[in-house]
Amino acid sequence: DQQVKQNSPSLSVQEGRISILNCDYTNSMFDYFLWYKKYPAEGPTFLISISSIKDKNEDGRFTVFLNKSAKHLSLHIVPSQPGDSAVYFCAARSNYGGSQGNLIFGKGTKLSVKP
Amino acid sequence: ETGVTQTPRHLVMGMTNKKSLKCEQHLGHNAMYWYKQSAKKPLELMFVYNFKEQTENNSVPSRFSPECPNSSHLFLHLHTLQPEDSALYLCASSHNSGAAYEQYFGPGTRLTVT
Repeated sequence: DQQVKQNSPSLSVQEGRISILNCDYTNSMFDYFLWYKKYPAEGPTFLISISSIKDKNEDGRFTVFLNKSAKHLSLHIVPSQPGDSAVYFCAARSNYGGSQGNLIFGKGTKLSVKP
Repeated sequence: ETGVTQTPRHLVMGMTNKKSLKCEQHLGHNAMYWYKQSAKKPLELMFVYNFKEQTENNSVPSRFSPECPNSSHLFLHLHTLQPEDSALYLCASSHNSGAAYEQYFGPGTRLTVT
C-alpha cells in the first residue's frame, strides 16, 4: 500500500494565480518531507522541504505547509508562472530501522500553468 | 546540472543482451541510489550504497546487478531483462544515507527492452 499519496494526477492553473499541490501520508514515523520538481527528459530536482517539527517553510514563491494531525502536506506556488509547469513529486523520509534516510515518493502531480 | 551524471541517456536492448548503466556524482557524497520510474507509478527505490557498501536491496530481481567501486561511481548491470523492465532508471546521491535528507538526482537513463 502506498505510504505517500498524491491523489491529483494533474492540475491546471492560470498564470499569476496560486497553485496548490497536495500530498497525504500514512506513516507517522516520517521525520522530513520534500518536494521535487521534474521537467521532461530531466531528473527530479529538489525544490523545498520541511521538518516534521515545523508546520510551515517558505522559500520565495514556494511555501510548504505540514498538518501532522491530518498527515497532510501541501505546496503553494504564488504567483504561478509558465516555467513552473512540471511534474511535482512529494517525498517523505523514513526515520526507522534499516530504512532510515530512505525517501518514499508519491506518484506525482503534473502542473500546467497557462499564460 | 545537479552534479550527478548518467550514461547512456537512452538505451534499447533485447532480452538476451547484457548492458550496463553508469552513474557518477561530483558532489562529494557518500551514498548513492538506484531508482526505477515506470509510467503512472511512484519512484521505486532499488538499491542503496553507503560508503561503497550495499545497505538496501529492495527485493530487486537478480537480473539487475549493482556495483559501486567507489563513492563517486555506481553501475547497474542488466542481463536477460523483460519488456516490463522498460522504464526510466534514475541515479541519486546524498551525504551519509542514514543521516541524509535531500537526494540529488541525475537525468536518468530511458531503457526500452524489446
